Amino acid sequence: AQSVAQPEDQVNVAEGNPLTVKCTYSVSGNPYLFWYVQYPNRGLQFLLKYITGDNLVKGSYGFEAEFNKSQTSFHLKKPSALVSDSALYFCAVRNAGNMLTFGGGTRLMVKP
Amino acid sequence: EPEVTQTPSHQVTQMGQEVILRCVPISNHLYFYWYRQILGQKVEFLVSFYNNEISEKSEIFDDQFSVERPDGSNFTLKIRSTKLEDSAMYFCASSASRTRGSYNEQFFGPGTRLTVL
Repeated sequence: AQSVAQPEDQVNVAEGNPLTVKCTYSVSGNPYLFWYVQYPNRGLQFLLKYITGDNLVKGSYGFEAEFNKSQTSFHLKKPSALVSDSALYFCAVRNAGNMLTFGGGTRLMVKP
Repeated sequence: EPEVTQTPSHQVTQMGQEVILRCVPISNHLYFYWYRQILGQKVEFLVSFYNNEISEKSEIFDDQFSVERPDGSNFTLKIRSTKLEDSAMYFCASSASRTRGSYNEQFFGPGTRLTVL
């Protein structure tokens, strides 16, 4: 069975500083990895995905994620955080079918 | 930009009643999904639907749940006899057809908050 772990319930960062939201996964076979963001009273919005190719994936709103096969990680990063980045972030892995398995989510708080 | 829509935004029902949650996926998408998120817990997969049939379902999706695409635009989730533990946020999602080597992201609606009393 596949699983995703987000070890931090909350990440606090000052505006302008780099941010990292951690994600590790467990899956048999090739991992198909995704990051989604959820703003209050909104659905999940797709940020980026890793399917194959370059380990560094670039996505929406200046976010990027680094796939590390040996560490089974897919950490979300941004060089310079904005207050508007404050939201709930979910990492997910997809099975050979279409099922997404989500991590528990990490709340990102960016302070001015 | 096209988006997935869901109605109602909030549904309150009595235990044992039937509810139907409605979704309008993105118009050219072919794969449809339901997920749920119990308050404070993870987002959980319920079911995926393609070509007018269920393609995958989780253990949560038992006989009290059913899905239907009654026309060319709507995708519904029915819970026949609601239980207290069905209270959750239910998300609909859709994705484009999957071509060889391409795994398209799922686009999520804003959710329906179901409260079972």
